[in-house]
Amino acid sequence: DAKTTQPPSMDCAEGRAANLPCNHSTISGNEYVYWYRQIHSQGPQYIIHGLKNNETNEMASLIITEDRKSSTLILPHATLRDTAVYYCIVRVKDSSYKLIFGSGTRLLVRP
Amino acid sequence: ETGVTQSPTHLIKTRGQQVTLRCSSQSGHNTVSWYQQALGQGPQFIFQYYREEENGRGNFPPRFSGLQFPNYSSELNVNALELDDSALYLCASSPVGPTTEAFFGQGTRLTVV
Repeated sequence: DAKTTQPPSMDCAEGRAANLPCNHSTISGNEYVYWYRQIHSQGPQYIIHGLKNNETNEMASLIITEDRKSSTLILPHATLRDTAVYYCIVRVKDSSYKLIFGSGTRLLVRP
Repeated sequence: ETGVTQSPTHLIKTRGQQVTLRCSSQSGHNTVSWYQQALGQGPQFIFQYYREEENGRGNFPPRFSGLQFPNYSSELNVNALELDDSALYLCASSPVGPTTEAFFGQGTRLTVV
């Protein structure tokens, strides 16, 4: 089962920041938070990941709370092409490093 | 473009038949994972291969099997196809380790009729 909960849908205006929340209250100390997105019928696209520090790359920023029980993905200037399903994933380490996807958040960027 | 390629892109099979899907991993990646994504749902982990051996398996029956080759490419085989096997099948490659991202191919859309 997925270890994350996300709102099923969100929207934001083009050019504004999109802030996507994720709860992962049962995360273990050595488990990473990953974010992927999936544009209709394409393969999931890696966005960013982190352990406990905030992370930023050319696509987005990831803010993880100090207790690590939740995080927020920030798209600083959303465009229409950012409309997609966004998945927050806690990467479980057992014999593999599988990704357990939940239902994700469907983000609609409005013109 | 992730460098992960899957073939074919679309496939239609009849219930009871067998199917083989193929995946070429990104250069330098020695780990390949397969996922099944039913319509409207998130991808579900099927299994992972590392250095030609199965390295973890999700909740899928034995009729789902796989192979990884010395060049790290991989195959997913499904026997005795059922209607519920209709889905997008995704392959992801990565270097081994918990801190590395997995890169997905575009998937194979399988329809079982």
